[in-house]
Amino acid sequence: DTQMTQSPSSLSASIRDRVTITCRASENINNYLSWYQHKPGKAPKLLIYAASTLESGVPSRFSGNGSETHFTLTISSLQPEDFATYYCQQSYRVPYTFGQGTSLDIK
Amino acid sequence: QVQLQESGPGLVRPSETLSLTCTVSGDSVSTTSHYWGWIRQTPGKGLEWIGYIYYNGHTDYNPSLRSRVSLSIDTAMNQFSLKLRSVSAADTAVYFCARWNYYERNSFDSWGPGTVAIVS
Repeated sequence: DTQMTQSPSSLSASIRDRVTITCRASENINNYLSWYQHKPGKAPKLLIYAASTLESGVPSRFSGNGSETHFTLTISSLQPEDFATYYCQQSYRVPYTFGQGTSLDIK
Repeated sequence: QVQLQESGPGLVRPSETLSLTCTVSGDSVSTTSHYWGWIRQTPGKGLEWIGYIYYNGHTDYNPSLRSRVSLSIDTAMNQFSLKLRSVSAADTAVYFCARWNYYERNSFDSWGPGTVAIVS
């Protein structure tokens, strides 16, 4: 299986901070990489697909970058509603696999 | 706007079968544009893709679960379902259903809120 490794596992930040989460794949997955936001008790939400394409309705402060094995999710100016857990997921090869998640909380 | 909602018993005995249903509104499970899938979240393994099903019954499963899982689709009820056989404590998880957009996004673009299943 393709292993997805996120860093950091947890992150504390303040409102209006810029934060970046990294996701590394154990093999070249081209740009078959998605990012999701998950809040407890809620449905996970697709933020980014194809490594850098913003899903419709997602604020432009979210951006994705990368290709092959190294990817990033950046939030340019944290807002209160952004505190959540973020996951990357590869869709290059079945079985689709997820990173272990990055928990973002308020400093 | 598509909405998905999981349902099923919250408690299952070891060695029995876990059965869950996902009810879809705002879209049709008969669409040719999407697959319909299941993902689970466990404390030990994080998010794990279980499998997905197409409107015509075509399925793909995670090899780690293939011997115990089966998905089905009910176009009349606009639902799809998961059965996981011979469960153990390791199958205790939050189970999510989701829509797989293979045409444009290669992503799960809509999810349900999840349902907890405890094996005990």
